[in-house]
Amino acid sequence: GENVEQHPSTLSVQEGDSAVIKCTYSDSASNYFPWYKQELGKGPQLIIDIRSNVGEKKDQRIAVTLNKTAKHFSLHITETQPEDSAVYFCAARSFGTYKYIFGTGTRLKVLA
Amino acid sequence: GAGVSQSPSNKVTEKGKDVELRCDPISGHTALYWYRQSLGQGLEFLIYFQGNSAPDKSGLPSDRFSAERTGGSVSTLTIQRTQQEDSAVYLCASSFGLGGGGAGEQYFGPGTRLTVT
Repeated sequence: GENVEQHPSTLSVQEGDSAVIKCTYSDSASNYFPWYKQELGKGPQLIIDIRSNVGEKKDQRIAVTLNKTAKHFSLHITETQPEDSAVYFCAARSFGTYKYIFGTGTRLKVLA
Repeated sequence: GAGVSQSPSNKVTEKGKDVELRCDPISGHTALYWYRQSLGQGLEFLIYFQGNSAPDKSGLPSDRFSAERTGGSVSTLTIQRTQQEDSAVYLCASSFGLGGGGAGEQYFGPGTRLTVT
């Protein structure tokens, strides 16, 4: 069945450094890839997304890249700040469906 | 505007009892999802509703779990004869449809933390 693998499971970076989280999906029909940030005690919040017809998308300090051939996509956070500390989830959804498959999450710690 | 709301925020129940969890989606959203998140784990898909179509129940872990969505709005997730392994945070999300060029972005509620003792 469909599967999304996410790495690493935990990531610690110094404040100001960059953080990269990678996901690999199995369903070649996947065409929409959102990233969510989940803070303690809250539901996941969409922070950025990308569709399969685009290779890269940026929003201030956050960017997402997509390699359809290799079936992987990555989240890049530059100039990390302590408030970036949270759990990040990637997800994939196939064309014409509403069902999302989520990665297992990455706990990011930004050390001041 | 108002986001997705869920109630209760916390629920403690005894093993064997039934529980009902409620989700109020964002007004106008046609799709509604339920997920389960065990402690420190990822999101496990349970079920989704889209408009008047038959729900996709493929993620429900057993026949003790059921969900309904009345009037295309509020949804209730029911767990019968609860077991300790049902303890988790149950998250609800809603989205617009996929038509009109939209990507159907999901918006999550804060979740209901269920503890079965």
